[in-house]
Amino acid sequence: GVSQNPRHKITKRGQNVTFRCDPISEHNRLYWYRQTLGQGPEFLIYFQGTGAADDSGLPNDRFFAVRPEGSVSTLTIQRTQQEDSAVYLCASSRQTRGFSPLHFGNGTRLTVT
Amino acid sequence: KNEVEQSPQNLTAQEGEFITINCSYSVGISALHWLQQHPGGGIVSLFMLSSGKKKHGRLIATINIQEKHSSLHITASHPRDSAVYICAVGGSQGNLIFGKGTKLSVKP
Repeated sequence: GVSQNPRHKITKRGQNVTFRCDPISEHNRLYWYRQTLGQGPEFLIYFQGTGAADDSGLPNDRFFAVRPEGSVSTLTIQRTQQEDSAVYLCASSRQTRGFSPLHFGNGTRLTVT
Repeated sequence: KNEVEQSPQNLTAQEGEFITINCSYSVGISALHWLQQHPGGGIVSLFMLSSGKKKHGRLIATINIQEKHSSLHITASHPRDSAVYICAVGGSQGNLIFGKGTKLSVKP
């Protein structure tokens, strides 16, 4: 399945954090979402291969994600703020015309103190 | 107004009851997903549909494109069905917009 690490991250405000996502190997599409308590996942960015097909969900320029070889992706948050505390979810899917089922990782829970 | 609205937000049922969760959306879509999220965060894709009806075991999902509405039904509910059920809609660009979820609790 989709593997994310770390599972939990506690950091102090102002520090940088990086999360990793290993998608299912044959999946071309990779998505990052953010979920806060009681809310549905909120879109951040999605990749088709190595390129970011849509990064309109990134909240500001402190957030960026890469997928340099079209498989593993990392999401980095610079100068973390308390409002960044959330569960960061990664999902992948095959590239087909339209959509195919998503496969989610278990998420990385970020707590900014 | 949210682009994806689910109802009810919370649902408590007795084991064996027939359950319906509704999803209405206001955007044009290519596909609609129903997802299940258990405590601890793991999300599982239940259905992806763009028309008609799909069935998997005790779960049935329907969609009415003209009315921009979908329903998820659970027959003969069981305590292990307790989870948050999330509706998500996808446009042609690949992004998904999620509802806030319906928290289901099935009592034995």
